[in-house]
This record gives sequence, C-alpha cells and structure tokens, in this order.
Amino acid sequence: QVQLVQSGAEVRKPGASVKVSCKASGYTFSSYDISWVRQATGQGLEWMGWMNPNSGNTGYAQKFQGRVTMTRNNAINTAYMELSSLKSEDTAVYYCARRVPYYDYWGDAQGTTFDSWGQGTLVTVSS
Amino acid sequence: YELTQPPSVSVSPGQTASITCSGNKLGDKHVSWYRQTPGQSPVVVIYQDTKRPSGIPERFSGSHSGNTATLTISGTQTVDEADYYCQAWDSSTDVVFGGGTKVTVL
Repeated sequence: QVQLVQSGAEVRKPGASVKVSCKASGYTFSSYDISWVRQATGQGLEWMGWMNPNSGNTGYAQKFQGRVTMTRNNAINTAYMELSSLKSEDTAVYYCARRVPYYDYWGDAQGTTFDSWGQGTLVTVSS
Repeated sequence: YELTQPPSVSVSPGQTASITCSGNKLGDKHVSWYRQTPGQSPVVVIYQDTKRPSGIPERFSGSHSGNTATLTISGTQTVDEADYYCQAWDSSTDVVFGGGTKVTVL
C-alpha cells in the first residue's frame, strides 16, 4: 500500500532553516508529484507547492516563493521540503501528500487531488 | 483565489449533514473533500466532485452546482465528527483549500 513517512519534529530559532523529509513506498515514486501542505495549530490547511520526482520541476505558492525549496533523492524514494528565514508564524505541522492529477477526454488538466498523506512533522520556531 | 466554507455544522445522529464550499468560478473546477480528525492527517473522502475512494463509506457523497460544491453525510454517525476541507485546482493559482468546517454530531 502507498505510504509516506516523514521525519521527526524539529525546533528552530527565528531566521534559521528547516528541512523535512518524506519517504515514499508502495508505488513508483517518480510517477506522482509530491506536494507539501502545512497546518498551524487550530488553523486550516495551506498548500505550499509541488515537486515532480521525475523531472525535479517545482511549483510554489506565491506566499512561499523565495523561501521554500522542494527537492528529491530518487535513489531512496524521498522528497524534501526546506523552508528558510523561519518566523514564529511558520510554527505548524507540515504534511507531504501524493498528488494525483486527472484529465478530461482531450487530455487537458482538469484538477488534482491528494490521495495519500504523510503523518505530519511538527516544526516549532521559537527563540 | 478563495474557497468559502461555513465554520461549523451541527447534526443529530442519523440525520443528514451538508457542508458547502463556494468560490468564484468554482463551476469551472472540480472539488475534492478531505476529512481530518484531531491529531491525524487529512483523508480524501470525495474527489472529482462526486467520486468516492475505495474504503470510504457510502454515506459520504458529493455534488456540485454552479459555484457551490456540497459534501453530504447521510445517516451521520458520531464517528463522523471531524473537520472537513474542500479543495480545488486552478491552472493559474494551482491548489487552494477552503477554510474548513467542523462537524459536530449531537
């Protein structure tokens, strides 16, 4: 079965960086994009961006442009999300998720859904 | 781009809960719905507006009319208490989530 296993909780000081990993199993890693979604305590889900394991191509939400970097190591089926210049407002649980696109009859992109999620990684930013 | 959900919905056991998700030009997009219980990761319960993944109970259904998508839980059970999020995709803004709806069964 599809499984995404994330690295453990992290504590960082403001201004530092954090790198979270997401190890995939149960499917061909290169066949699906990995997205990252975060959730501050008591708040909703916030999409951060995507990474294509096959090409390495990425797309980031405007809010995180310049601060986030999504990469992968295909040899170990692992995706990474690095967030820099951390602020207290970045304290949140960070999830990786497998992104499944779907297309219309003519092959045009119609939408996307997230069918498997990691267990989440708590990142705490505190001085 | 924003998706709007009611913050909370209350329902009696055995009754039907309806959660709406509205947005500008949402009629041009497809919607997924996720269920999240405290301390757990989200789980997709509906995708492409109406499709239910394997393992999701039949009491969960989705519909979409105009700029409003609706998640319906029929015969609601106490185990259905959770936060529910809608999500859409747009070619320009990519992925967006609604603010979430807390379903209380009482």
